[in-house]
Formats: sequence, structure tokens, C-alpha cells
Amino acid sequence: EAQVTQNPRYLITVTGKKLTVTCSQNMNHEYMSWYRQDPGLGLRQIYYSMNVEVTDKGDVPEGYKVSRKEKRNFPLILESPSPNQTSLYFCASSFGGNSPLHFGNGTRLTVT
Amino acid sequence: KQEVTQIPAALSVPEGENLVLNCSFTDSAIYNLQWFRQDPGKGLTSLLLIQSSQREQTSGRLNASLDKSSGRSTLYIAASQPGDSATYLCAVPRPTGNQFYFGTGTSLTVIP
Repeated sequence: EAQVTQNPRYLITVTGKKLTVTCSQNMNHEYMSWYRQDPGLGLRQIYYSMNVEVTDKGDVPEGYKVSRKEKRNFPLILESPSPNQTSLYFCASSFGGNSPLHFGNGTRLTVT
Repeated sequence: KQEVTQIPAALSVPEGENLVLNCSFTDSAIYNLQWFRQDPGKGLTSLLLIQSSQREQTSGRLNASLDKSSGRSTLYIAASQPGDSATYLCAVPRPTGNQFYFGTGTSLTVIP
């Protein structure tokens, strides 16, 4: 089944403890992206990648890192999480251009 | 910067009614617009992608229209069902296609 898989689905952590949210897609998509969704603010793009070893900042990249060493994987790294990073995170992928975006089921992160 | 607006934020209709959801965008230099559905606790599912050269796109009971000159798109849902209850979001890409801007969505409730 074609899908975007994120793990974990739920994560509770403490301020400053490094964490990684994984994202994997099995559709051979070149384009991958991370979003955060907050009430009243909607979906905002954190980082995106057009292909392996090519990443760029979205609208809200502060406090996040990404890497794209393999085409199928695009992990999101929070080196020192803070409470304002408490949010619902989504990974998405597509062939780029005029093709539909496919989303994972989300990771709900709480930083205390 | 592109701004995408969806009004109303919430809509409640009786089962069987036809309804229209609205999406407005400020920069008409788009080459497509996507409509998504989001169920509680789930990721976004792509419903329709309408190219800038198209005026309409249909899938089952759903019909999306696009008027670039006025900066508007509508999603028409025919004969609504309780299973249509969800949040509907629209999104437009930048001309480079590597960043997407999302509306904050319309939460639809179809009452049996």
C-alpha cells in the first residue's frame, strides 16, 4: 500500500531532550516536507526537500533540523525542544510539480 | 506572501443537502490548487487537484472549480452524507512548487 509513515504517533518529552520524528514513504517521491499544525494558525511548512541531499527552509524552520540521506526517509530532528514546539506534525511527499501531496497520519508532540 | 483564506470556519448542514466550501487566495500566480480532507486525529487526504489551466475537476460527488482571476476556488459536495463530516482544507503552491500555503480549513458537520 502506498503510504507515508510517521513515527511515533504520540510523543511527550521534556525541554532540551533531543528527539527525532521519522518519516518514510514508499512511493519513490522526490519531494518531501514537514509541517506543523496549530489551532488558529493552520498548517505551516517547516522544511522541505526536493531530492536526496537537497533540503531547504520553509516558513518556520527555527529549532528544527532535517536530513535527506535516502530518497524514502526524511527525519525531523529537534535538538533542544521547547514548549512552543508542542504541536501536531505532519510529513508529506509527492512527485513534485502538479502531483498531489500525500500525508502521514501525524505525530502529536508535547514538550513540558 | 500568499495568503489563503477559508470561510466559514465551520459549517453544519442536514444530510442530503448540497453545499459549497470556499477558498480564497491573494496571489493569482498559481499553477494548481489542491483540496484536502482531514479527519480528527488523522493526516490529510488529497481529494482533488485542479490545474491552473482547468476550471473544474470532478471526483464522485465532489466538484472543485478554480477562478484564478478572482482568486477563488470552491468545493461543491453533492448530496452530503454524515461520512462527509471532516475538516476541508485548500492549498496552493508557490510558482517554484516547493512550498505550499494552506488555508485554516472549514469544519463540516453533516447531521443525520
